[in-house]
Amino acid sequence: DGGITQSPKYLFRKEGQNVTLSCEQNLNHDAMYWYRQDPGQGLRLIYYSQIVNDFQKGDIAEGYSVSREKKESFPLTVTSAQKNPTAFYLCASSMVLGTREGYGYTFGSGTRLTVV
Amino acid sequence: KQEVTQIPAALSVPEGENLVLNCSFTDSAIYNLQWFRQDPGKGLTSLLLIQSSQREQTSGRLNASLDKSSGRSTLYIAASQPGDSATYLCAVRGGGGSQGNLIFGKGTKLSVKP
Repeated sequence: DGGITQSPKYLFRKEGQNVTLSCEQNLNHDAMYWYRQDPGQGLRLIYYSQIVNDFQKGDIAEGYSVSREKKESFPLTVTSAQKNPTAFYLCASSMVLGTREGYGYTFGSGTRLTVV
Repeated sequence: KQEVTQIPAALSVPEGENLVLNCSFTDSAIYNLQWFRQDPGKGLTSLLLIQSSQREQTSGRLNASLDKSSGRSTLYIAASQPGDSATYLCAVRGGGGSQGNLIFGKGTKLSVKP
């Protein structure tokens, strides 16, 4: 079955450490996204990519970095510059606008990151 | 800037009741609107996708309507069950400042009591 796989499900980060969250999709979607979810704040866009080797900052990109070397993969690195990284991170994919505008987003099952 | 609001923030109903969740958005220039369900600690499951040219979509006991001109959508759940308990999120694709990305409301937390 096609879908999005996020790993790990739980991740613990020490102060000053960089950690990388994995996101893989086999839906042949062009676009991929990373969202952060905090209680009471809804989902906020961190980074998105509409094509391989290209990505754009979302609303809260500071302290995060991404890469898009393959269509299927869009890993997110939470760097030591992110001062409050404890949150639930969700990866999503879709077709880009202009190709199939009617397509919705498909989400992964999420990674919960905790600073220890 | 596109903003999405969901009312109420929380709702508790007895089993078997029909209910309506509301979603409003500030910019009507959207491509589509999507309703999601989220269980605690889980990812988002897509329930219904309504394209901008459509007025409603139905799936089983769920019916979603879209009035783009007034910036409103409703999710109707018929004959609610305890298994429907979850947070329901409304999201629109497009509108001012969104770059064509999905903009979310904060959700309605639904509790269906047996």
